[in-house]
Amino acid sequence: NAGVMQNPRHLVRRRGQEARLRCSPMKGHSHVYWYRQLPEEGLKFMVYLQKENIIDESGMPKERFSAEFPKEGPSILRIQQVVRGDSAAYFCASSPPRGTGPYEQYFGPGTRLTVT
Amino acid sequence: GQQLNQSPQSMFIQEGEDVSMNCTSSSIFNTWLWYKQDPGEGPVLLIALYKAGELTSNGRLTAQFGITRKDSFLNISASIPSDVGIYFCAGQLIQGAQKLVFGQGTRLTINP
Repeated sequence: NAGVMQNPRHLVRRRGQEARLRCSPMKGHSHVYWYRQLPEEGLKFMVYLQKENIIDESGMPKERFSAEFPKEGPSILRIQQVVRGDSAAYFCASSPPRGTGPYEQYFGPGTRLTVT
Repeated sequence: GQQLNQSPQSMFIQEGEDVSMNCTSSSIFNTWLWYKQDPGEGPVLLIALYKAGELTSNGRLTAQFGITRKDSFLNISASIPSDVGIYFCAGQLIQGAQKLVFGQGTRLTINP
C-alpha cells in the first residue's frame, strides 16, 4: 500500500546545473500534480498532468521549468539552469481517475532542492 | 488569482486545550481540504469537505464547509503533543481533478 514516492529527498545543485525530480503516484492514481513550497509559506500549484498529457501548467514558470508524465515510469519535473531562487521544497501529489471515488490529493514526502 | 486567508498564523496553547483555525476566500470553492504538515514531510490529508454546510469529524478533529462556500474552519479538541505541526487549508474551485489553492498555514505549538 505504497503512498506517493518522490526521489531524491534532498538535491543540491550549483547555479546553472539541471535538477530532475521524480514522482511515482499512488497505485491506481493517474493524475499527478506538482507544487512548490518556499520556507514559511503554503504550497503553490505548478502543473497538473495525466499520462502523456499536460492538463494545466498555469503555475509553471515560462522558462527553464518543464514537466512530463510518460506512459511508463514516473513523472519528472525538470529545472534547467537552476538559480538560487529555485531553492525550495517540491511536492508531488496524486489523485485517482475521475469516476472512481473521492478526488482528494495525496502528497509525497517532497524533494528539497538547494541551489548553491 | 485565488487566495485563501488562513488565521491565526500561529498558536501557542497548553496541552488539553481546544484549538480553532479558519480559512476565508473572496472566491467560491467547491471543495475544502485540511492538511497537516510535520517538519521535513509532505502534507497529510486530515479532512475533505464536499458540500456547503457539511460538518465532518475525524477523531478529535472537526471541520465545516461554510454555507457561503467562501470559508471553512477546523477544530481540534483536547490537544495532545503530537498535534504540533503546521495546518493548511486548501480549496478546489471545481470538484474533481483540479489544482489546489493553499492557505498560508497555522503553526501550532503545544506546551506540555
